[in-house]
Amino acid sequence: AQSVTQPDIHITVSEGASLELRCNYSYGATPYLFWYVQSPGQGLQLLLKYFSGDTLVQGIKGFEAEFKRSQSSFNLRKPSVHWSDAAEYFCAVANSGYALNFGKGTSLLVTP
Amino acid sequence: DAGVTQSPTHLIKTRGQQVTLRCSPKSGHDTVSWYQQALGQGPQFIFQYYEEEERQRGNFPDRFSGHQFPNYSSELNVNALLLGDSALYLCASSSYTDTQYFGPGTRLTVL
Repeated sequence: AQSVTQPDIHITVSEGASLELRCNYSYGATPYLFWYVQSPGQGLQLLLKYFSGDTLVQGIKGFEAEFKRSQSSFNLRKPSVHWSDAAEYFCAVANSGYALNFGKGTSLLVTP
Repeated sequence: DAGVTQSPTHLIKTRGQQVTLRCSPKSGHDTVSWYQQALGQGPQFIFQYYEEEERQRGNFPDRFSGHQFPNYSSELNVNALLLGDSALYLCASSSYTDTQYFGPGTRLTVL
């Protein structure tokens, strides 16, 4: 069965510092991978997705993620974090676009 | 272009009652999926509707049922509410198996 692990429950970074959020997946075939962001009390906004092709994926708001099959990882990165990036981040895997299987999320706190 | 909309925004019910949540998909989308997000957790897949049929279902009891209308909008019904059903219910729409886009959610509180 497919699953997603986000090892970090909370991460704190200083504004302007770089960010990397980790995501590991378990799936037999080539996965469809996603990163979503959720502000408090809100729905989920898609940051980026990987279906196939180039393993470095660019998303909105300056985010990027790299698919590494050998490590079963799809880590999210941003070179310089802004205070408005504080939110909950979810990694998800899907089988052919049907059900999304989400990780438990990583809460990002940005300090001045 | 309107995105995914959900109603109501908030809802308070008591144990044993029934509730209906509604979702209108993004324009051009024909598939609706429902997720339950408990506090501090990631969303859990409930089911997905396409062409007015339930295409896939997650690990939820039969108390959870749904419907999709010819205009692609959808309802989620929960019978015999339990305290544990308190959660944020998220609707997502897509074009068949393409990327899912989420609505703002309905916050259900069961007392």
